[in-house]
Amino acid sequence: GNSVTQMEGPVTLSEEAFLTINCTYTATGYPSLFWYVQYPGEGLQLLLKATKADDKGSNKGFEATYRKETTSFHLEKGSVQVSDSAVYFCALSDPTSGTYKYIFGTGTRLKVLA
Amino acid sequence: KAGVTQTPRYLIKTRGQQVTLSCSPISGHRSVSWYQQTPGQGLQFLFEYFSETQRNKGNFPGRFSGRQFSNSRSEMNVSTLELGDSALYLCASSQGQGPTYEQYFGPGTRLTVT
Repeated sequence: GNSVTQMEGPVTLSEEAFLTINCTYTATGYPSLFWYVQYPGEGLQLLLKATKADDKGSNKGFEATYRKETTSFHLEKGSVQVSDSAVYFCALSDPTSGTYKYIFGTGTRLKVLA
Repeated sequence: KAGVTQTPRYLIKTRGQQVTLSCSPISGHRSVSWYQQTPGQGLQFLFEYFSETQRNKGNFPGRFSGRQFSNSRSEMNVSTLELGDSALYLCASSQGQGPTYEQYFGPGTRLTVT
């Protein structure tokens, strides 16, 4: 079945450091891929998405490229800020598998120190 | 535009009791999905409703059920509560089904079973 694997956290970085959060997936069809962010006490917010191979999603300085050959969708940001501290979730939706449901990774907590 | 609202925000119940959680989607959204979030299992899909019909269901026992009303508001019910049901229950709404439509999440209902 479909699944998403993310790197374990927490990830602790200094302000202005480069961020990479790894995400790989298993899917039987042609999924769309997403990154969601959850700030403390809040629900999830869509950060970016990519719907087909080689697409790059980007938002608020974050980027991720849909790599079908490596089944990956790693999240990157060139210079993190304290306000980026949150939990990040990688997710997929694969309607070609017969369902619209979303499958989430376990989440990676990011802590950015001033 | 008001976001997704969930009530109550916090709930404490005793084993064996039942509970009903409510979700009001963004106006105009017809799809509502429910997720269970726990530290150990992460985010797990419970079910999705679209136009008052359950369209997708996750791997949860029959104690978990839901419904959607004609105004798209949704409720989920858990009967015979177990300690393991303690979790953050998130509701998400979207205009339609599938990854073309962005999911907007509510802040969640924190359920504690004692």
